[in-house]
Amino acid sequence: EIVLTQSPGTLSLSPGERVTLSCRTSQTVSSNYLAWYQHKPGQAPRLLIYGASSRATGIPDRFSGSGSGTDFTLIISRLEPEDFAVYYCQQYGTSPLTFGGGTKVEIK
Amino acid sequence: QLQLQESGPGLVKPSETLSLSCTVSGGSISSTGHYWGWIRQPPGRELEWIGNVFYSGITYYNPSLKSRVTISVDTSKNQFSLSLSSATAADTAVYYCARLLKWGWGFGDNWGQGTLVTVSS
Repeated sequence: EIVLTQSPGTLSLSPGERVTLSCRTSQTVSSNYLAWYQHKPGQAPRLLIYGASSRATGIPDRFSGSGSGTDFTLIISRLEPEDFAVYYCQQYGTSPLTFGGGTKVEIK
Repeated sequence: QLQLQESGPGLVKPSETLSLSCTVSGGSISSTGHYWGWIRQPPGRELEWIGNVFYSGITYYNPSLKSRVTISVDTSKNQFSLSLSSATAADTAVYYCARLLKWGWGFGDNWGQGTLVTVSS
């Protein structure tokens, strides 16, 4: 199975800062089928990005995704208070579907 | 607006079968463009895909759980269900149901809030 490694594990930041999250995969992700999710405690995970770089419906343009092959990035251009959460990447090009371990973005 | 809601026992005894249902509202489970899936997250660990079902009943399972998992769909009730047999403490997790867009093996564009299932005597 494809293993997804997210880094860093935790980021301590202030509102307004720029955030860069990394997701590296153990094998090439077919067709760049990679998604990013935002997850807050007690809530349903929220789809942010699919196809490595396409924003999901209703997602603000401060969220952007990029990358291909085995190296993918999620950028939040300016952190808003509601953006503090855990972020997961997921590949869906190869079965089984697999997820990264997550990056927690916390308030500094 | 599509909503998914998990339901089922929060406590299961070891060796018994863990059973959950997911009720879909605000949309039809008979969509040709979506899978319906189960994903879980054990405490302190990463998300793990359990399996998907298509409205026709075709299923896809994670090989690591395939021998113990059954996912079924009931289009008349707009529900799909998970059964995980021979439960152990390692199956303790928050279980999420999700609608997955049928691209590749699927990504979740709508998720339930999750339900904690504890396996303990």
